[in-house]
Amino acid sequence: DAKTTQPTSMDCAEGRAANLPCNHSTISGNEYVYWYRQIHSQGPQYIIHGLKNNETNEMASLIITEDRKSSTLILPHATLRDTAVYYCIVSPNAGGTSYGKLTFGQGTILTVHP
Amino acid sequence: DTAVSQTPKYLVTQMGNDKSIKCEQNLGHDTMYWYKQDSKKFLKIMFSYNNKELIINETVPNRFSPKSPDKAHLNLHINSLELGDSAVYFCASSHYRGLSGNTIYFGEGSWLTVV
Repeated sequence: DAKTTQPTSMDCAEGRAANLPCNHSTISGNEYVYWYRQIHSQGPQYIIHGLKNNETNEMASLIITEDRKSSTLILPHATLRDTAVYYCIVSPNAGGTSYGKLTFGQGTILTVHP
Repeated sequence: DTAVSQTPKYLVTQMGNDKSIKCEQNLGHDTMYWYKQDSKKFLKIMFSYNNKELIINETVPNRFSPKSPDKAHLNLHINSLELGDSAVYFCASSHYRGLSGNTIYFGEGSWLTVV
């Protein structure tokens, strides 16, 4: 599986956009970029994923560079409840023994402050 | 309604005991997983079952035995518990979506402490 590099921690003011970067320079052509977050004492929560196009849903936007070597997760209006560890994960498409195998790194601790 | 539920949420037990953690999903998914989060907060996959068949086994000691009676349940049985088994165990599920990627939904975790 490709590895990802994320900053250890970031701060964001409540109401502002939180932009979380991720480097995945060794990503393969069939690997998706997934973002999950884990709020303290809870299970990981799916946020968004993409292959090469930018994606948006009700939680966030995902911007993937054209060469796919990096991406940015954008929380447009961060709230205190967005304080969590954010994981950027690359994972192959379904099929074979790698199916569903998400390899979590250390993630980015995002702290949203008033 | 909880999508992926696991019980118990907290479990404290002595070394050498045998214990089970149960997991159920009501999402109609065909694949279920067990992940382990250790004291350093790393999350690692342990097992994956697709339609009740084992498809991923990440070199987990054979003291750990998953059992899937049907597609909606994946239980984890642990024999001869050791101190190092203390961790948070997360059950998860997903549905095969082919080229659309694979979204995995996690339960709230079971905190296992071996004393």
